[in-house]
Amino acid sequence: KAGVTQTPRYLIKTRGQQVTLSCSPISGHRSVSWYQQTPGQGLQFLFEYFSETQRNKGNFPGRFSGRQFSNSRSEMNVSTLELGDSALYLCASSQTGDSGEAFFGQGTRLTVV
Amino acid sequence: GNSVTQMEGPVTLSEEAFLTINCTYTATGYPSLFWYVQYPGEGLQLLLKATKADDKGSNKGFEATYRKETTSFHLEKGSVQVSDSAVYFCALSAVGGATNKLIFGTGTLLAVQP
Repeated sequence: KAGVTQTPRYLIKTRGQQVTLSCSPISGHRSVSWYQQTPGQGLQFLFEYFSETQRNKGNFPGRFSGRQFSNSRSEMNVSTLELGDSALYLCASSQTGDSGEAFFGQGTRLTVV
Repeated sequence: GNSVTQMEGPVTLSEEAFLTINCTYTATGYPSLFWYVQYPGEGLQLLLKATKADDKGSNKGFEATYRKETTSFHLEKGSVQVSDSAVYFCALSAVGGATNKLIFGTGTLLAVQP
């Protein structure tokens, strides 16, 4: 069974630009969550999607958004990039609606210059 | 609110030494508890889990027991190897409503020397 796939693995963007990251969950998993990992703040929850609906959102500005498609693939978008958005963005998929057990992708390393 | 506290790292051990990484939590209700491991340049891998009090999760020689009375979930391994060098994260599932949201500790870097 294929794992969680995130693309691209690495990105370099300029301040003010926008970026879209993609996540394909494990087949059959309907829940996708996104996390931001930085050395200073650690792992922080961004949002969760279940069956194309956002059902939980972390404490991030509105520049961070996401969506989920009918095949459970998810994208997150960050607009008007800031230097502080440089981070490893991790996607996790879960099979059930509320177990908390999550399988993570390798992440997308975003660098904003 | 819900939170997880892990011991500060780095933890440096010699091969075959005994490992303990402390983790305590604060939560309303009864969350599930997890240990995840992150190798350099990689995402997180689920190491073990426990879903209710007194459950023991185990995998690859690692163990952790869900202690409700002390709100703890300490990770242990009897004999570490160089290949165990990684960052270990304790996490709990958010309680209240249908969600897979995880709350993580700050992570503990383990370095095992040959």
